[in-house]
Amino acid sequence: LAKTTQPISMDSYEGQEVNITCSHNNIATNDYITWYQQFPSQGPRFIIQGYKTKVTNEVASLFIPADRKSSTLSLPRVSLSDTAVYYCLVGPPSGGSYIPTFGRGTSLIVHP
Amino acid sequence: GAVVSQHPSRVICKSGTSVKIECRSLDFQATTMFWYRQFPKQSLMLMATSNEGSKATYEQGVEKDKFLINHASLTLSTLTVTSAHPEDSSFYICSARVLSRSGGQTDTQYFGPGTRLTVL
Repeated sequence: LAKTTQPISMDSYEGQEVNITCSHNNIATNDYITWYQQFPSQGPRFIIQGYKTKVTNEVASLFIPADRKSSTLSLPRVSLSDTAVYYCLVGPPSGGSYIPTFGRGTSLIVHP
Repeated sequence: GAVVSQHPSRVICKSGTSVKIECRSLDFQATTMFWYRQFPKQSLMLMATSNEGSKATYEQGVEKDKFLINHASLTLSTLTVTSAHPEDSSFYICSARVLSRSGGQTDTQYFGPGTRLTVL
């Protein structure tokens, strides 16, 4: 199972773009990369998922280089409500055996 | 998106009592659900994998006789903390594994809102 490494914390200001990078050097060929957001005393919430290159949805973009050993979650124009912990997970193909492992995550604090 | 509920959202109990936490997938069927525990300022720690119709698979260090998991239907998994003690106080979170419907994505977890357990 690929281990992930993220910065423990990041600070930003409202309106700025925030990029959070996750390292997963041992990612397997068929693994996808998924990012989750967690607010205090709540369950994590799915943000975005990708396999390679770039994925964009209404809330974020995910950039994955060709070697897939890292990925970057990009949050455009953050607001105070984006203050949360962000986790990246790598996982197996659909239906495969899966033991999800959360790393320490990145605590993002957005300042006014 | 898929919705997962948990009940109760918080519970306070006396030491030695048992507490049952329910995890339901509201608008989809989940053959696999995961149970996590999270202590303050820490990450989620996987406790066990719950598969419908079969015994749960527990992670190393998790006592299966203390944390009883039942996944009797495709929409409900329960975690029972037996003979709870103050050190069992934590935030318990379940998730349901949603299989991808087509190529281009892999399985996704949808999480419940969590249950705050406080053992006095």
